[in-house]
Amino acid sequence: EAGVAQSPRYKIIEKRQSVAFWCNPISGHATLYWYQQILGQGPKLLIQFQNNGVVDDSQLPKDRFSAERLKGVDSTLKIQPAKLEDSAVYLCASSTRTSGRETDTQYFGPGTRLTVL
Amino acid sequence: QKEVEQNSGPLSVPEGAIASLNCTYSDRVSQSFFWYRQYSGKSPELIMSIYSNGDKEDGRFTAQLNKASQYVSLLIRDSQPSDSATYLCAVSLFSGGYNKLIFGAGTRLAVHP
Repeated sequence: EAGVAQSPRYKIIEKRQSVAFWCNPISGHATLYWYQQILGQGPKLLIQFQNNGVVDDSQLPKDRFSAERLKGVDSTLKIQPAKLEDSAVYLCASSTRTSGRETDTQYFGPGTRLTVL
Repeated sequence: QKEVEQNSGPLSVPEGAIASLNCTYSDRVSQSFFWYRQYSGKSPELIMSIYSNGDKEDGRFTAQLNKASQYVSLLIRDSQPSDSATYLCAVSLFSGGYNKLIFGAGTRLAVHP
């Protein structure tokens, strides 16, 4: 079974530029997550999709970050304009469970390391 | 108060010893608890999940949960240098009909030969 795919693996941009990340979840996984992991910290959930609908984006800085999941499969996360503090690893994860109290296992992709200069 | 707290470490143990990693959480209604291992420059990978009070064993790993004390721990027996990594504790938060994971900052474990 193929894992979660992400691209690019690394990206270096200057502040105020824009950047986009792509994620392809494990086939059949209904739930997709984007996390931001700053060096020395744990992953922080930015947005959670259930199929192609957003169920949680409470920690997404909506003035600069946007995400979409067209057709309930692939997803893109965009930052425009980038700030220095956006330097982090952006992790995509997916899981099978659609809802309910039980938490399903999340499988993480390799991440995209973003450096903003 | 942070929702999930872990000692950042590093926790240094000799090869063959037991490593004990601890985590406390603030949300009393959390139902699911996870330990992820993250090697430097890699993404997190799940090593243990636990849902009920008590111990859960899987090979050299034992997860312990005490909901009354809001405490979850991970024991690694016969620690190996390959166990050197950051261990992330994650706790589920049920909100709006969906679960989301809240991660601690992680504890860095160093196993020396």
